[in-house]
Amino acid sequence: DGGITQSPKYLFRKEGQNVTLSCEQNLNHDAMYWYRQDPGQGLRLIYYSQIVNDFQKGDIAEGYSVSREKKESFPLTVTSAQKNPTAFYLCASTDRAGEQFFGPGTRLTVL
Amino acid sequence: QKEVEQDPGPLSVPEGAIVSLNCTYSNSAFQYFMWYRQYSRKGPELLMYTYSSGNKEDGRFTAQVDKSSKYISLFIRDSQPSDSATYLCAMRVNTGFQKLVFGTGTRLLVSP
Repeated sequence: DGGITQSPKYLFRKEGQNVTLSCEQNLNHDAMYWYRQDPGQGLRLIYYSQIVNDFQKGDIAEGYSVSREKKESFPLTVTSAQKNPTAFYLCASTDRAGEQFFGPGTRLTVL
Repeated sequence: QKEVEQDPGPLSVPEGAIVSLNCTYSNSAFQYFMWYRQYSRKGPELLMYTYSSGNKEDGRFTAQVDKSSKYISLFIRDSQPSDSATYLCAMRVNTGFQKLVFGTGTRLLVSP
């Protein structure tokens, strides 16, 4: 089955702690994205990567970091510098036709 | 003013009704338009993907784009309780990088 997987489904973070969200795709897509979804605000772009070893900041990159060492993987680290990290995080990838597909999401809660 | 405006709802309809979901946008450079369906606590699922103006039909779903009015619509015929979800519109300009701009989503409730 081709698709995008995200883990964990639920994640709890203590104040001052860094956490890493996993995103893996087996669709052979070059471009991958991380979004944050908050109630009433839609999806906001955190980081994106068009090819391996390259990534760019999105609209709300402060307090987040990413890496793209493999085509299949695009992990997101939520650092302690992110002051309001509680949200639903979505990973996506895009095929050559421009269609964007999403993973199932990770819900992060700060305790 | 947001680049993409979408009524948050909720929109409540009885089963079998025709549903009309809409988005307006301000950037005339948008060329590609998408509709996603998102169930609670799940990732968005791509429903329709259209280019430029006109209609596209897929089963009970019809996507309509009116570039002159900067207005897109998604029609759902014979709505079912399983259609109850949040519907997100998204769009992008015709560039090499496919950054999407999303609406905030409309919550649809279809009652049996």
